[in-house]
Amino acid sequence: EAAVTQSPRNKVAVTGGKVTLSCNQTNNHNNMYWYRQDTGHGLRLIHYSYGAGSTEKGDIPDGYKASRPSQENFSLILELATPSQTSVYFCASGERSKNTEVFFGKGTRLTVV
Amino acid sequence: KTQVEQSPQSLVVRQGENCVLQCNYSVTPDNHLRWFKQDTGKGLVSLTVLVDQKDKTSNGRYSATLDKDAKHSTLHITATLLDDTATYICVVGDRGSALGRLHFGAGTQLIVIP
Repeated sequence: EAAVTQSPRNKVAVTGGKVTLSCNQTNNHNNMYWYRQDTGHGLRLIHYSYGAGSTEKGDIPDGYKASRPSQENFSLILELATPSQTSVYFCASGERSKNTEVFFGKGTRLTVV
Repeated sequence: KTQVEQSPQSLVVRQGENCVLQCNYSVTPDNHLRWFKQDTGKGLVSLTVLVDQKDKTSNGRYSATLDKDAKHSTLHITATLLDDTATYICVVGDRGSALGRLHFGAGTQLIVIP
């Protein structure tokens, strides 16, 4: 069964601190994505990757970095966390197919105080 | 500008009733459209995907339609259950390839009451 695992599931960080959100997929998918979900908004794309070693900017990349060290792992890095980055973050993996199947993790709730 | 609009924003129905959720979009090209269910505090689970110019799908109590000419989709839930309480999200994919981008609606919050 397709699986995308995020860690941690909940995180409280201090303003100015560094935060790393991790994502692991066992689907052998080439594509991985990081989104954030805020009330009243659809999911917004932060960074994505086509494979190990690649990272691409999404629609709202400012303040975030990404790292794809392997096919299975994709991390989202907040070097200097700010309260505006308080949100729920979702990782997803997808395959190059006609219907672009995509599977989501359960989300990470990040609070920056 | 929001490219995927869902209505209503929220909906309350009694268990056993049917309901219809709407999705209008302006994404171009529109390769496919997918409906997700998101339980509170959980991830998104795919319910169905629509691909053709005029498409219909059925998955148990869930059925969906897509009209690409009108850029409009509906999700029908029949005989609702309490477990159907969730947010339903419409997502339009602009390509079917690795370069494709997903465009998300803000969701319809469905509450099913006894």
